[in-house]
Amino acid sequence: EADIYQTPRYLVIGTGKKITLECSQTMGHDKMYWYQQDPGMELHLIHYSYGVNSTEKGDLSSESTVSRIRTEHFPLTLESARPSHTSQYLCASKRTGGDTEAFFGQGTRLTVV
Amino acid sequence: AQKVTQAQTEISVVEKEDVTLDCVYETRDTTYYLFWYKQPPSGELVFLIRRNSFDEQNEISGRYSWNFQKSTSSFNFTITASQVVDSAVYFCAPYGNNRLAFGKGNQVVVIP
Repeated sequence: EADIYQTPRYLVIGTGKKITLECSQTMGHDKMYWYQQDPGMELHLIHYSYGVNSTEKGDLSSESTVSRIRTEHFPLTLESARPSHTSQYLCASKRTGGDTEAFFGQGTRLTVV
Repeated sequence: AQKVTQAQTEISVVEKEDVTLDCVYETRDTTYYLFWYKQPPSGELVFLIRRNSFDEQNEISGRYSWNFQKSTSSFNFTITASQVVDSAVYFCAPYGNNRLAFGKGNQVVVIP
């Protein structure tokens, strides 16, 4: 069973608010990822991290930012939420190595009204 | 550039039929790993199997089997004797360039 947790599961928030989506893993994985997924669509990588103090932008441009101050924690922040940010956000982690699988959290479904 | 193609968008089968999903991964990398994930209606992603690019042997795990054809960079994933609980979206996800990329997914609907 994966030990990776995302909070909140569901969030409805007004335009212009600042929000932080939390992601924590207890597996000691170095690599962590944030994906964005619209309903019925593929996952798009928006941020990833190799380890503490390492963050990189992914393939899909995003107005969100991330930080990695601790190995187990990889929060995603939107400074000013907009309706276009409405989506599902999935966090994942994995051990270093091409043959290791990534473990996913349950996701946060964000709705900006 | 790397490209992941899952051509069939939705596949419907009657319970107990087999269903095969195809994934083609175009890359310049000569060795890589490819993963299959299942996403049920609840939304979480569940890891199913991994496969490397340098072994063309068929593999079986329970009701899942898969093989890789190097000549076409094609990974086939088969669910044998499908069950209603297999209804989900199945994603092919190759790992390369330090990231996991995802295909568009195959929606599998198993009809009781």
